[in-house]
Amino acid sequence: EVQLLESGGGLVQPGGSLRLSCVVSGFTFSNYVMSWVRQAPGKGLEWVSTISTRGDNTYYADSVKGRFTISRDNSKNAFYLQINGLRAEDTAFYYCAKGLLAYSTNAWFDPWGQGTLVTVSS
Amino acid sequence: AIQMTQSPSSLSASVGDRVTITCRASQDIRNDLIWYQQKPGKAPNLLIYAASSLQSGVPARFSGSGSGTDFTLTISSLQPEDFATYYCLQDYNYPLTFGPGTKVDIK
Repeated sequence: EVQLLESGGGLVQPGGSLRLSCVVSGFTFSNYVMSWVRQAPGKGLEWVSTISTRGDNTYYADSVKGRFTISRDNSKNAFYLQINGLRAEDTAFYYCAKGLLAYSTNAWFDPWGQGTLVTVSS
Repeated sequence: AIQMTQSPSSLSASVGDRVTITCRASQDIRNDLIWYQQKPGKAPNLLIYAASSLQSGVPARFSGSGSGTDFTLTISSLQPEDFATYYCLQDYNYPLTFGPGTKVDIK
């Protein structure tokens, strides 16, 4: 069974930093593109970032570019989102998601983790 | 960035109804369109990819169509478990962009 488990969310002050982790199991991690998607409470979905299978290509939403960094460790079946310079508008549930197809560059998100809440407030 | 719009933003329907949701892209995205269903408090679930391919395990009452800029998600006979919010997503290019969602509730 494919499983994705996020961790690292919490309450942080504006300007602070967090590192979100997503540990996966049930599939050959190194064969799949992985992504982060967020959702502010009561709002719609926003794609955040995607990383290629080897980690050599990364993509970011304009709203997070320069502040967020995605990375992966294929030896640990895990990928990460380093979040710096947090703003109130970054408050959201952050979901990690697996690409649907192995060896594909498409980021089709399936399945998703259960989400981890990041709250930015003083 | 490619802008995605959806219509309607919400709709009320009854069990058994045929429901159609439209998604429009601000430029040609070929068939690089995905549909998700999200229920309250849950992560989204992939329904349709490449505009019209049904994801494994998704009931056949769901179907997708369209290419270019205009796409449609159809539920042929609405079931109680289908009351949810539906989102489209373009993956033609980065940054990937979602539509604002369509909430389907009970009439």
